[in-house]
Amino acid sequence: DTAVSQTPKYLVTQMGNDKSIKCEQNLGHDTMYWYKQDSKKFLKIMFSYNNKELIINETVPNRFSPKSPDKAHLNLHINSLELGDSAVYFCASSQDGGPYGYTFGSGTRLTVV
Amino acid sequence: GENVEQHPSTLSVQEGDSAVIKCTYSDSASNYFPWYKQELGKGPQLIIDIRSNVGEKKDQRIAVTLNKTAKHFSLHITETQPEDSAVYFCAAIYSSSNTGKLIFGQGTTLQVKP
Repeated sequence: DTAVSQTPKYLVTQMGNDKSIKCEQNLGHDTMYWYKQDSKKFLKIMFSYNNKELIINETVPNRFSPKSPDKAHLNLHINSLELGDSAVYFCASSQDGGPYGYTFGSGTRLTVV
Repeated sequence: GENVEQHPSTLSVQEGDSAVIKCTYSDSASNYFPWYKQELGKGPQLIIDIRSNVGEKKDQRIAVTLNKTAKHFSLHITETQPEDSAVYFCAAIYSSSNTGKLIFGQGTTLQVKP
């Protein structure tokens, strides 16, 4: 009964590959987010979707493309992976794009070699 | 844009002592300030929050204070226990914006020594 679940938890891949991270929430929230946590543990928003509509795109390279098939799912596809993409990626959700009830997934640790 | 500064970056205390983490924010429109605890291998979890119409909020051993004039807010943990060891993040948001964009501080690694 995990509220926000991400898969995979760990992802090791070579430079230049394309990979996807999946996220699902069962909280009935209509807004979902992707955050990136770098090696210094700094958390920064990448994207937010409200009811399948892109709301925030924080100057993330075009190689990153979020996709929301429905309001309970938000996937992140990354093309042509680079060493600098190595980080922990967190999915989150909240209601109505508001801060209350904000819930994070457990993260996906991406390592590009 | 909004910026949140958090200090200290690391904090080591003896079990039973108090711990204080401080944050400042730049956008005076920010009106909601959550604190998150992140344990190893897990996502951030909300531990306490405060809205701008309140100066202080307490939940058992955890309290948060807010000074809107100075744009400061702080997390206070009393009677610390080893299980309090984690990374703590403050954040700020303008809750009426409906973008849900949380601006995080840089994080504080708290170590509670038994």
